[in-house]
Amino acid sequence: AQSVTQLDSHVSVSEGTPVLLRCNYSSSYSPSLFWYVQHPNKGLQLLLKYTSAATLVKGINGFEAEFKKSETSFHLTKPSAHMSDAAEYFCVVKMNNNAGNMLTFGGGTRLMVKP
Amino acid sequence: GAVVSQHPSWVICKSGTSVKIECRSLDFQATTMFWYRQFPKQSLMLMATSNEGSKATYEQGVEKDKFLINHASLTLSTLTVTSAHPEDSSFYICSASRQLAGGLSTDTQYFGPGTRLTVL
Repeated sequence: AQSVTQLDSHVSVSEGTPVLLRCNYSSSYSPSLFWYVQHPNKGLQLLLKYTSAATLVKGINGFEAEFKKSETSFHLTKPSAHMSDAAEYFCVVKMNNNAGNMLTFGGGTRLMVKP
Repeated sequence: GAVVSQHPSWVICKSGTSVKIECRSLDFQATTMFWYRQFPKQSLMLMATSNEGSKATYEQGVEKDKFLINHASLTLSTLTVTSAHPEDSSFYICSASRQLAGGLSTDTQYFGPGTRLTVL
């Protein structure tokens, strides 16, 4: 079985300050991990993914995430928040066990950016 | 590349009617397509997985006679909500995995923009 926990349902930061969105996972198999962003009334957009290559993954819009197997974490960070980063962020896990492409979504974290 | 579209983007219907939602991969062939449901301020819940030319696999608790899925080609999957009721009102999102050589599919799922269904 696999599960994903996003530890914060809401995160509020000031523009220009760092962003940290936390994600922990559990998986019986070697996982692939993803972060997606959902802006209001828009579809999900892939930010970045980890698939067993480099543990530090760089994504679009200045985001990056580090896979830490010992901590079963895949936290998303950005050095400096921008107003346009305000959105809902989902951490997603996929098991690599030939059982298909089923994704498990975390509960989501709403990022608010204050001017 | 890897664009997924959904049609319609928003539909309002009367209780008891059926509604069909289309999901298309515009610039790639999709081995597998997925249908999700998202309630307000909540995460996505997988409803079913469909592979082209075969029956869909439904998640536990999802009524297959209520939510009919057809995946007739490598670029089109449809979800029909039969005899819709107000509790079926939700945001329905599809995603697709790109087909690779040898019948494999990509790790990444590409998501459509979603369809908002309101049943009166």
